[in-house]
Amino acid sequence: GDSVTQMEGPVTLSEEAFLTINCTYTATGYPSLFWYVQYPGEGLQLLLKATKADDKGSNKGFEATYRKETTSFHLEKGSVQVSDSAVYFCALEIYNQGGKLIFGQGTELSVKP
Amino acid sequence: DTAVSQTPKYLVTQMGNDKSIKCEQNLGHDTMYWYKQDSKKFLKIMFSYNNKELIINETVPNRFSPKSPDKAHLNLHINSLELGDSAVYFCASSQDITPGRSGYGYTFGSGTRLTVV
Repeated sequence: GDSVTQMEGPVTLSEEAFLTINCTYTATGYPSLFWYVQYPGEGLQLLLKATKADDKGSNKGFEATYRKETTSFHLEKGSVQVSDSAVYFCALEIYNQGGKLIFGQGTELSVKP
Repeated sequence: DTAVSQTPKYLVTQMGNDKSIKCEQNLGHDTMYWYKQDSKKFLKIMFSYNNKELIINETVPNRFSPKSPDKAHLNLHINSLELGDSAVYFCASSQDITPGRSGYGYTFGSGTRLTVV
């Protein structure tokens, strides 16, 4: 079935370090791909998205490229800040499934000053 | 103005009780969802409605019953609460789920933390 796999957390980085959170997916058809961020005690916020192969989504210094050949959508940021500490979720939306999103298990990021 | 609002934010109740969670969105979206987030942060879809019509009904105990009086509201009623129902429940909405025009993602509410004791 359709699924999303993210790297295990927690990930702990120093401020200004480079961030990569790996995400791979299994899907029939051509899904849209998303990254969401959840700050403590809050709901999920859409961080970025890509709707077709080779698209790059970007927002607030975060980037991810839709790689169909490797079925991946890795999240990257060149220089993290303490305020980026949160849980990050990769998700996919399958074509013609009523907008259903399938989420990865989430990756907790902790950035230390 | 809050785009997707859920009430209550916290709900503590005893086993066997019946409770409801309300959700409202002011974005003009046609589709609304309920997701459950467990203690390990895993998110799973429960239900979705499009213009008051049920379109997704995952394998959820029939103690859970969604109700959508209009496209801006989606409520969740839970009968005979069990310890395993303790979780955070998120409401969400999306703009357009039409195949070929979807891919907008969701706007989430801030969640309702349900604790069954």
